[in-house]
Amino acid sequence: QVQLLQSEAELKKPGSTVKVSCTASGDTFGNNGISWVRQAPGRGLEWVGRLIPVLNIRDYGKNLKGRVTFTADTDTNPNVAYMELRSLKFEDTAFYYCAQESLSDTSTLVLGPWGPGTLVTVSS
Amino acid sequence: EIVLTQSPDTLSLSPGESGTLFCRASQSLNSNYVTWYQQRPGQAPRLLIYGTSYRATGIPARFSGGGSGTDFTLTISRMEPEDFAVYYCQHYGSSFTFGPGTKVDI
Repeated sequence: QVQLLQSEAELKKPGSTVKVSCTASGDTFGNNGISWVRQAPGRGLEWVGRLIPVLNIRDYGKNLKGRVTFTADTDTNPNVAYMELRSLKFEDTAFYYCAQESLSDTSTLVLGPWGPGTLVTVSS
Repeated sequence: EIVLTQSPDTLSLSPGESGTLFCRASQSLNSNYVTWYQQRPGQAPRLLIYGTSYRATGIPARFSGGGSGTDFTLTISRMEPEDFAVYYCQHYGSSFTFGPGTKVDI
């Protein structure tokens, strides 16, 4: 089964940009989408959005659209996906998880496996 | 927009005890699209239950899901030490919506 690896923790200043990577190990993303979910310290899960690399389809959660971009190097490195978040704010401090989407037996998309998370800290 | 609420906020159990977690939706849901995740301290979430009642690969039988309409449950029978975690319900429509979570602690 695929394992997802993520880039290391980042410390950023307000107004700057962060780019987090998610690498599939042991298999490829295949035809699956990659969702990004964030979790502020001590808080719950918030869906940030997703990319379906083979279809070049993107969807966005309600809070970050306009500041977030999802990409994948489908030609050069099809096993790596990226999330870029611009104009960082203090409240963007969170763990950012990537998760592979898969179609369940009940014809719904579920998230799993998950990457270990990347802590993005926004501080002046 | 579908909103999920979970109760209780915290459920205190002892090893060997059983407990039920609740997830309520703001409108009736297709039960095929209700999922539960477990998040242990310091770890990423992992898929637990999908389609309301189907256990994901490797999930022990002490976890069971149920419900329909607007009300869904996750029952943990005979708590093991590794089951102390936060549990999130989630619905998939055109996007992924999570509930606020229930913390199960000792």
